[in-house]
Amino acid sequence: TQLLEQSPQFLSIQEGENLTVYCNSSSVFSSLQWYRQEPGEGPVLLVTVVTGGEVKKLKRLTFQFGDARKDSSLHITAAQPGDTGLYLCAGVRKTSYDKVIFGPGTSLSVIP
Amino acid sequence: NAGVMQNPRHLVRRRGQEARLRCSPMKGHSHVYWYRQLPEEGLKFMVYLQKENIIDESGMPKERFSAEFPKEGPSILRIQQVVRGDSAAYFCASSPYEGYGYTFGSGTRLTVV
Repeated sequence: TQLLEQSPQFLSIQEGENLTVYCNSSSVFSSLQWYRQEPGEGPVLLVTVVTGGEVKKLKRLTFQFGDARKDSSLHITAAQPGDTGLYLCAGVRKTSYDKVIFGPGTSLSVIP
Repeated sequence: NAGVMQNPRHLVRRRGQEARLRCSPMKGHSHVYWYRQLPEEGLKFMVYLQKENIIDESGMPKERFSAEFPKEGPSILRIQQVVRGDSAAYFCASSPYEGYGYTFGSGTRLTVV
């Protein structure tokens, strides 16, 4: 069983549309990170959210951390083909160390 | 500043051979993580190392796989007697401290023929 679930698993949209992807867990995280991975490359860190209810904006991308720090969402406005990629959320959980746990990802395809 | 450097970028091995994957973390980063990724799948954690220490190897297969991060030089992920099922992309990431955002390398794509 996945500690972090992401939905939808796959998403294909037209250029210019808006979309939201979700990252959910039954566990509380001390912080949550979002990455984008383009084909053939490693993931790139987009943002880290730390406080429950926190909202961060990165150009057309809006990230929100749930009040209870168990879930997060990523909203993209007016999607562009350059947004195509695998979006991974990752929660930081205290174990014997601050462990980063990755979700399975949402694969986004933006069609011109 | 150079990012996380992984080499080789592509590696082809015959069944039964050894594969050695190298990772040089970002300057100033002392925490190294290895992940495996199959096509159309997410990242699977393998091992977390600090200099000369394995902190968490819970994702590493018990046999044939080993990892090290020596005092000097890159981190090495070693796969002995490779099998077809080892074919995957292997990513290394580094961070300046635990729980901080990772910087990933471009990966090594291992193909076992």
